[in-house]
Amino acid sequence: NAGVTQTPKFQVLKTGQSMTLQCAQDMNHNSMYWYRQDPGMGLRLIYYSASEGTTDKGEVPNGYNVSRLNKREFSLRLESAAPSQTSVYFCASREQRGVNTEAFFGQGTRLTVV
Amino acid sequence: DQQVKQNSPSLSVQEGRISILNCDYTNSMFDYFLWYKKYPAEGPTFLISISSIKDKNEDGRFTVFLNKSAKHLSLHIVPSQPGDSAVYFCAASVDFNKFYFGSGTKLNVKP
Repeated sequence: NAGVTQTPKFQVLKTGQSMTLQCAQDMNHNSMYWYRQDPGMGLRLIYYSASEGTTDKGEVPNGYNVSRLNKREFSLRLESAAPSQTSVYFCASREQRGVNTEAFFGQGTRLTVV
Repeated sequence: DQQVKQNSPSLSVQEGRISILNCDYTNSMFDYFLWYKKYPAEGPTFLISISSIKDKNEDGRFTVFLNKSAKHLSLHIVPSQPGDSAVYFCAASVDFNKFYFGSGTKLNVKP
């Protein structure tokens, strides 16, 4: 019972490089999310996917793209990494049945852009 | 502009005493509130939630209070234990999809 799995756990990129952060959940949840956590800022929503085949922007979408590959997987892509994207990234999933439910988070990906 | 604010970056409490963590919000449309707990190098884990139709929700040692008129949320932990030492985030939602998080309060429970 893995819950939400993120890969990689750590990554160092050079400015301008691209990479994709992977996220998979095994709880059959409809909704999936990508957050970034920065000191003093809490968690800020980058993109979310309410259901398979749909994606929407969150609070801080600039510089990112996402793909909801199937119900299990939701990836986050940085096309041209910038130092401002140095952060800890969390993926989360949530069952959305029209009632209030909590989100389950992965362990995070610590990304450093130099 | 942050819609959910936790104005105390840290809190230190003696073991066995009460811990009170506070959270303020600005959006009166928020109808669901949650508290998450986060240990270093781990993802946040859900602790307790409250709907806007209630003013109190209890789960064991944890109680969340909601004051809608003041747009204020608080988490009480009684009694506090050293294992409660972590960063606590409050979060709020208006449409079940977008959850807005506060900046977190680091709780240290001293033995």
